[in-house]
Amino acid sequence: GQSLEQPSEVTAVEGAIVQINCTYQTSGFYGLSWYQQHDGGAPTFLSYNALDGLEETGRFSSFLSRSDSYGYLLLQELQMKDSASYFCASTDSWGKLQFGAGTQVVVTP
Amino acid sequence: EAGVVQSPRYKIIEKKQPVAFWCNPISGHNTLYWYRQNLGQGPELLIRYENEEAVDDSQLPKDRFSAERLKGVDSTLKIQPAELGDSAVYLCASSPTNTGELFFGEGSRLTVL
Repeated sequence: GQSLEQPSEVTAVEGAIVQINCTYQTSGFYGLSWYQQHDGGAPTFLSYNALDGLEETGRFSSFLSRSDSYGYLLLQELQMKDSASYFCASTDSWGKLQFGAGTQVVVTP
Repeated sequence: EAGVVQSPRYKIIEKKQPVAFWCNPISGHNTLYWYRQNLGQGPELLIRYENEEAVDDSQLPKDRFSAERLKGVDSTLKIQPAELGDSAVYLCASSPTNTGELFFGEGSRLTVL
């Protein structure tokens, strides 16, 4: 089976850095993805880690440690438009992708 | 390139009525997913197709839910009869490979009265 844990909410000011942690228990773990979802919108893909280490894409970075069953998403230079829900999702070796409950990021002026 | 298309965007029905949702994935994407998302929660997988084969339907409530993907392209998800607890957003997604990157449609918001 699969289960993922992430904080329910994080609040930060514009320009700050936010780290969203995700721990997972996934049989046959293959990789960890991150998605962003604005209110009323569809989830959109941010990043994917299959190997240990840091992946950087602009202001967003994602990290994976397979030995610790742990990953995080790092949001730098926060902007108001980054206010959204962020989901980690694990993929197993059979291709099943399961989402965490999501972390609501609130960016304040 | 067109994205994943879903219809209808909104549907309001009374309990015990049937409802159907349609999804057209991105051209060339062999894998198609149906997820259900309740307010404030993450998407919950209902069924996953590889081409026309349902490879994972373990979380699909088969007593009232059914799905099909004829010819390995479009897909339909049906609920019959609907219950109050089925009110949610039904998301369709497609993927070209097993890279953890899913492309989602805008979703179909169902309200059961």
